Amino acid sequence: EPEVTQTPSHQVTQMGQEVILRCVPISNHLYFYWYRQILGQKVEFLVSFYNNEISEKSEIFDDQFSVERPDGSNFTLKIRSTKLEDSAMYFCASKQAYEQYFGPGTRLTVT
Amino acid sequence: EDQVTQSPEALRLQEGESSSLNCSYTVSGLRGLFWYRQDPGKGPEFLFTLYSAGEEKEKERLKATLTKKESFLHITAPKPEDSATYLCAVQAAGANSKLTFGKGITLSVRP
Repeated sequence: EPEVTQTPSHQVTQMGQEVILRCVPISNHLYFYWYRQILGQKVEFLVSFYNNEISEKSEIFDDQFSVERPDGSNFTLKIRSTKLEDSAMYFCASKQAYEQYFGPGTRLTVT
Repeated sequence: EDQVTQSPEALRLQEGESSSLNCSYTVSGLRGLFWYRQDPGKGPEFLFTLYSAGEEKEKERLKATLTKKESFLHITAPKPEDSATYLCAVQAAGANSKLTFGKGITLSVRP
């Protein structure tokens, strides 16, 4: 069964460093998303992406964040200069029509 | 602003003891209401989509129902493997709209 994959599963970085989180969405899906979940809190929307451009972004998704679909299979989230408060699980999701399917997540720890 | 409230926050059941999980929502034009299961340290796993009031969907021991203000996830004769956090999310009108999640309900089923 097709699934969304994410790498790495765990990333530890120092404050101020750049990180890139990678996702491979399900192959025939057209809509792509990033969400995050701070420990003990709800899943929060960051950004949606369709037809090679951002469709919608939340207040969290400021100038420090960017997304890219560099080729036909990968979808990336870049955080330019990480802060302590960026520590969270980051989930990639994709959909073809209605249901969004989520990847296993990348745990980002900023020290 | 779209809002989702889930109750109770946690629920402990004896194996075989049926119960219901509640999700109340406010959204500007509901496109869909989604139930996900999340195991610790994992990504949300899709369970159901409900589109209109009166709709019901079933899968094994789970049944989801929808009214104009809330949704219920009924668990019949639960087993220990049903232990997880159950997330409710709404999507407003618009093909690429984000999901707005509730905090989730942590279900523990004792053998």
